[in-house]
This record gives sequence, C-alpha cells and structure tokens, in this order.
Amino acid sequence: GQSLEQPSEVTAVEGAIVQINCTYQTSGFYGLSWYQQHDGGAPTFLSYNALDGLEETGRFSSFLSRSDSYGYLLLQELQMKDSASYFCVPKAAGNKLTFGGGTRVLVKP
Amino acid sequence: EPEVTQTPSHQVTQMGQEVILRCVPISNHLYFYWYRQILGQKVEFLVSFYNNEISEKSEIFDDQFSVERPDGSNFTLKIRSTKLEDSAMYFCASTFGGGNYEQYFGPGTRLTVT
Repeated sequence: GQSLEQPSEVTAVEGAIVQINCTYQTSGFYGLSWYQQHDGGAPTFLSYNALDGLEETGRFSSFLSRSDSYGYLLLQELQMKDSASYFCVPKAAGNKLTFGGGTRVLVKP
Repeated sequence: EPEVTQTPSHQVTQMGQEVILRCVPISNHLYFYWYRQILGQKVEFLVSFYNNEISEKSEIFDDQFSVERPDGSNFTLKIRSTKLEDSAMYFCASTFGGGNYEQYFGPGTRLTVT
C-alpha cells in the first residue's frame, strides 16, 4: 500500500526559494521521483533519488531520507514559469507511477 | 529530442459510443502506459503494456477498456461504450526499461463524453 503527504499549495515571489516536503509510506520502496505538471499539460520528470542525500539539477534539487520516509524538492531562483503542480512519486516494484494530489506552486511577480 | 505523440488532442463523443485514443511512443521504448486525469483530480494509472501484453492494470481498467499495439509504432486505448465519467485527459507514456521511474508522457487527449 501507499500513502503520501505533500502541502496542497505554496505561494512565493519570483526569485524566492520554495521547499516542497513529501512524506510517504510505500511498501517495497525503491526511490522517490518528482514530476512537474503545468495546467493543461502532461507530467514531466524532474528528478529521482534512490539514495539518501541531495541531487542537484540546475535550479531544482531533490533530497531523500529513506530512514525518515521523507523527501523534498527545492526550487531556487523561482521564475513565473515554475508555476505548476509538483508531485512526489514513490517508486516501488512494478511499472506504474502512483501520483498523489501534488503541491500547486504559484509564483507571483 | 524524441517525444511521445498522441492523437487526437481533443475528442468529443456521445455516451455509449466507442472511442480509440492513439499514441506513438518513443521509438526505442519497450514499455507503454495509459494514465488518465479527471479535471481537477490526480493522475491515475490505467494500464501498462510490454511485449504485446498487459503487464499491470488498475481497478479502473475494466472490461470497457482495451489496449493494443497494432503495428510497430502505435499504441491505442479503446473504450467500448463510453460513460459520462470517462470524460478526462488521457495520457500515454513510455519507457525503455521496465520499472523505470522516468516515464515520458505524451501531451494527452482530452476526452469529453456528452
């Protein structure tokens, strides 16, 4: 089974830093993915953490602590185009992705 | 950069009609998926497909749904007798390997059942 917890919405201004926390309970956990989805658009892969620690990809970084069943996505130097929904997606055995409700990030000028 | 394509972008159909949603996955990918997203709700897994057979399906994927890879490039989702509640955005995705955390999604087909 699986449960996921993320904040439903975060608002920040351009140039700010936003951290989206994710706690999960997933049987047979392999790692944690993050996806971005703009309104009306398709989910787009951002990052994946299989091991504990921080993975940095440009302005976005993702962190995982397996012992705490916790991860976060850090969005730095926020831009208007970062306004979207962000999903933490725990990876377990099998092929499917199981999305939760996600976090809607609203960037204001 | 290779991408997943889907047609049509928007399909309107009457309740009870059959619809076929089409996808062209990335050419060297081997695993194919359908997801749906009802407006304002989360993305839900429907089915995964590998080696010309279903590898996993959700409870949503009942007898009204079927998938097919009719040739070397297309991957289709058929809904036999559409219901109002089938109205949603349907996303196709593909990956090279199984259990791959990085799935490539197509732009989606918006299905409206009236």
